[in-house]
Amino acid sequence: SAVISQKPSRDICQRGTSLTIQCQVDSQVTMMFWYRQQPGQSLTLIATANQGSEATYESGFVIDKFPISRPNLTFSTLTVSNMSPEDSSIYLCSVEGGQGGYEQYFGPGTRLTVT
Amino acid sequence: EDKVVQSPLSLVVHEGDTVTLNCSYEVTNFRSLLWYKQEKKAPTFLFMLTSSGIEKKSGRLSSILDKKELFSILNITATQTGDSAVYLCAVVTSGTYKYIFGTGTRLKVLA
Repeated sequence: SAVISQKPSRDICQRGTSLTIQCQVDSQVTMMFWYRQQPGQSLTLIATANQGSEATYESGFVIDKFPISRPNLTFSTLTVSNMSPEDSSIYLCSVEGGQGGYEQYFGPGTRLTVT
Repeated sequence: EDKVVQSPLSLVVHEGDTVTLNCSYEVTNFRSLLWYKQEKKAPTFLFMLTSSGIEKKSGRLSSILDKKELFSILNITATQTGDSAVYLCAVVTSGTYKYIFGTGTRLKVLA
């Protein structure tokens, strides 16, 4: 399975500011995924990031609010822009792997609190 | 609309008990079903199921899929306090290639 790191692990931010979350994988992967998990909720996919193309956003998520970069096959960033308290969540990146190819492996997550 | 529903939402048991967690789904173009354990932030992979009736087993954990009735169960025998976590079920669809997560079952095992 891939080893995934995320930075920062947590942050407290003021409303109206932006935060960029980094995700680094120890092997080359085609697709990287960004999820949000609001308090007490399950995981919601924000977008899928392929290297060399624009990210694909899920319904309810837009590029202006959550711009994503994917400069190479081992790295991606997610920016949470113009934050409000409703953006307080855990943000997780993940990649696929495993024998079946559809197992997702998750990074350690970034816990964001917006005040 | 594709959906994955888990039950119960939460469960409290004592060490040594056996628990069964349920995951039902309604999706178009089912590809596979995955179980995860989430203790702090990052979910960790447990099982992937693609075929009906074939049990996957790892230690005290086992899981099986019923594609006719559209559900899966995760069994944990001889529970330990270390099993306390949120257990997530996710369905992968083909075509649009989506992962749809259920709301999870929060399991607490008391010593």
